[in-house]
Amino acid sequence: DSGVTQTPKHLITATGQRVTLRCSPRSGDLSVYWYQQSLDQGLQFLIQYYNGEERAKGNILERFSAQQFPDLHSELNLSSLELGDSALYFCASSVDGGAYGYTFGSGTRLTVV
Amino acid sequence: TQLLEQSPQFLSIQEGENLTVYCNSSSVFSSLQWYRQEPGEGPVLLVTVVTGGEVKKLKRLTFQFGDARKDSSLHITAAQPGDTGLYLCAGVTGTYKYIFGTGTRLKVLA
Repeated sequence: DSGVTQTPKHLITATGQRVTLRCSPRSGDLSVYWYQQSLDQGLQFLIQYYNGEERAKGNILERFSAQQFPDLHSELNLSSLELGDSALYFCASSVDGGAYGYTFGSGTRLTVV
Repeated sequence: TQLLEQSPQFLSIQEGENLTVYCNSSSVFSSLQWYRQEPGEGPVLLVTVVTGGEVKKLKRLTFQFGDARKDSSLHITAAQPGDTGLYLCAGVTGTYKYIFGTGTRLKVLA
């Protein structure tokens, strides 16, 4: 157990639907990061939050949004889902900006059918 | 666009062999991490290197940060099937931009 909790572990949904992925960071970590990993592809950075505020944005689609709540947990919302959104979505946390690395959760596998 | 290129992309070796994975960039990094990821799981941090020329050892794994802090290598001695996985390097720039490498898939055959 890395200390970063992601739910659900698996999600199957239809095209056009909306889903919410949840992440609880490791205790004491203020930064939360969301990454997408498609089959045979590397980790694509989506967005970072630090203590409730958006800190950095990567290649996140307009159909996707995220937020970090006062208790530091974070949610990633994916809407108008397309087949190409099927992927592993990882949340990671760090105490600072990640200079000494991230702690990753075990991911949510999203399948859009 | 900053890139972290890893080589080789794929590596399949027999148990007991040695191997080296490379991570190269034209950018200078303030620190660099190596992760290992197993199928269906999140990447797990193996090591962080900070100083140019730094060498760190973790049992049979040796990590080196280049003198100019633009590249790094991971050497595994006497590879075991348990070393199988996706190895990712990640570099941090001075502005806290975090860049993951393209990944090296290692398979160690018993």
